[in-house]
Amino acid sequence: AQTVTQSQPEMSVQEAETVTLSCTYDTSENNYYLFWYKQPPSRQMILVIRQEAYKQQNATENRFSVNFQKAAKSFSLKISDSQLGDTAMYFCAFIHEGNSGGSNYKLTFGKGTLLTVNP
Amino acid sequence: DTAVSQTPKYLVTQMGNDKSIKCEQNLGHDTMYWYKQDSKKFLKIMFSYNNKELIINETVPNRFSPKSPDKAHLNLHINSLELGDSAVYFCASSLGLAGYNEQFFGPGTRLTVL
Repeated sequence: AQTVTQSQPEMSVQEAETVTLSCTYDTSENNYYLFWYKQPPSRQMILVIRQEAYKQQNATENRFSVNFQKAAKSFSLKISDSQLGDTAMYFCAFIHEGNSGGSNYKLTFGKGTLLTVNP
Repeated sequence: DTAVSQTPKYLVTQMGNDKSIKCEQNLGHDTMYWYKQDSKKFLKIMFSYNNKELIINETVPNRFSPKSPDKAHLNLHINSLELGDSAVYFCASSLGLAGYNEQFFGPGTRLTVL
């Protein structure tokens, strides 16, 4: 079964600075997708960024970028120019491309990292 | 224009009661899900339906019964509520089952069992 590990339960950063959240995962499959979701205090789950495993280029969405290291099974999220509105729980998530490895199309989440942006 | 909506947003009830949470999506998606987020914020899938067919049943107690009357709705009925059922329940939907399809989440329902 696939697992997703976020080793940093909590992190803090000063406004306008850069922070990196780490995520590692475990799978024996070759085709899969990785996601970072944000959950602010409002509780809404918001997709921040996604990465296709077959793409070597790291995904970027404005101030958010990832460092995808397929061999190391690592998928970190970098937030540049942190803003107060970035304060949230961040979840790394993984899903196989299809019904492979007995995954049954299951999106698996890490335990989350609580990021606080300080003024 | 709410994409995935859930009712109610908050639910407080006594142990032993039966309650339902409703979910509707207006995105035209074929696949819908229920997730449970516990007090430690851990999010785990409970069920998924594709075209009204049950795909995932993630070792959830029989007291939980999902019902999909049509592709746009996936309701969750819980019998004989227990203290441990207190959590936030999220509904989600996606275009299809394949991994590349983004899942869109509803606002969550906070269930408190007293």
